[in-house]
Amino acid sequence: GQQLNQSPQSMFIQEGEDVSMNCTSSSIFNTWLWYKQDPGEGPVLLIALYKAGELTSNGRLTAQFGITRKDSFLNISASIPSDVGIYFCAGQLGAGGTSYGKLTFGQGTILTVHP
Amino acid sequence: EAGVAQSPRYKIIEKRQSVAFWCNPISGHATLYWYQQILGQGPKLLIQFQNNGVVDDSQLPKDRFSAERLKGVDSTLKIQPAKLEDSAVYLCASSRHREAGELFFGEGSRLTVL
Repeated sequence: GQQLNQSPQSMFIQEGEDVSMNCTSSSIFNTWLWYKQDPGEGPVLLIALYKAGELTSNGRLTAQFGITRKDSFLNISASIPSDVGIYFCAGQLGAGGTSYGKLTFGQGTILTVHP
Repeated sequence: EAGVAQSPRYKIIEKRQSVAFWCNPISGHATLYWYQQILGQGPKLLIQFQNNGVVDDSQLPKDRFSAERLKGVDSTLKIQPAKLEDSAVYLCASSRHREAGELFFGEGSRLTVL
């Protein structure tokens, strides 16, 4: 099945720094999504990308859907303590086949922000 | 609007016992998912329902796991008998329709098998 490789596995940064993480796949996806998970909670959607090459922002977050449709990255600018958590990329296949609509998640990037 | 509701939040059982988890999705969401999240890993899809029909259960260990969504709303995930490796958080999620990757997750049910 599809596998997503997310990097880095963890990051320790100072408050105010920018953060960048990425996700690569051996498969083509029609949709890329980025989720954040806080301890004891379910993942929450941050950004959804629907078109190759698309660059989308949500406040201090910016994400891009790679041209090859096999990768995506997420940037966080001017990090703050509440950015702490685990960030997951997820890819979704398009129409056709039994895996239509199935969301595959990466292993996650653990972000720690020091005040 | 109310979010995805799950219960129980925590469950501790011994191996070979059985357990059931319940999920109530967001009202009007046709697609419901059960994911298993082992500590330190990303969520892994167990089963996906479209209304009350199964769309994908290819990664569900069917010898011990079962799930149903009888009226196309609530869903139950059962494990019988449980193994040590089933210790994980079981996340329920819903979306408006199958094409939407915008899943809304519940808080999860944390299972510990001793």
